[in-house]
Amino acid sequence: LAKTTQPISMDSYEGQEVNITCSHNNIATNDYITWYQQFPSQGPRFIIQGYKTKVTNEVASLFIPADRKSSTLSLPRVSLSDTAVYYCLVGPLGGNQGGKLIFGQGTELSVKP
Amino acid sequence: DTGVSQDPRHKITKRGQNVTFRCDPISEHNRLYWYRQTLGQGPEFLTYFQNEAQLEKSRLLSDRFSAERPKGSFSTLEIQRTEQGDSAMYLCASSRPNREGVSLNYGYTFGSGTRLTVV
Repeated sequence: LAKTTQPISMDSYEGQEVNITCSHNNIATNDYITWYQQFPSQGPRFIIQGYKTKVTNEVASLFIPADRKSSTLSLPRVSLSDTAVYYCLVGPLGGNQGGKLIFGQGTELSVKP
Repeated sequence: DTGVSQDPRHKITKRGQNVTFRCDPISEHNRLYWYRQTLGQGPEFLTYFQNEAQLEKSRLLSDRFSAERPKGSFSTLEIQRTEQGDSAMYLCASSRPNREGVSLNYGYTFGSGTRLTVV
């Protein structure tokens, strides 16, 4: 299973763009990269998923270089409500065997006024 | 459908007592998962069901833990003889495989969890 490494914490201010990078050096050919967001006392929530290049949705963008050994989640113009823990997951589409997800420690993003 | 529901949201119990949590998945989802999350860590997989069949259990699921999904709908997670180390958030999630039998990550929905405190 591909292991992921991401910063433990990041600070930002309202209105700034935040980029969280995740390293996954041993990503497999059939692995996808998925990011989840988790607020305190809630379950994780899917943000974005991609395989290569760039993916954008209404919430975030995901940049994946050609070698796919890392990925960057980009949150445009963050607000206080974006304060949360962000998890980078790497695995086959649909999760690992049986669909289970493997979470790392995540990045705790703190957005300040 | 309001998503994945978990009950209770909070539970405080004395060491040695038994506790049971309930999860109601999204109705058309046939896969149901239990995860445990301790402070500062990401969720850890415990077990999952496809319909009523329990197909995998993690090594984290000791003999004191048992999960059921008798009719392929709601599920219960019971912890017997609770220990202080069982204090955690217990998360339930459900998903629906697509026609090829693969669960798409963006179809994976978590509940808000049950926070257990063992005193």
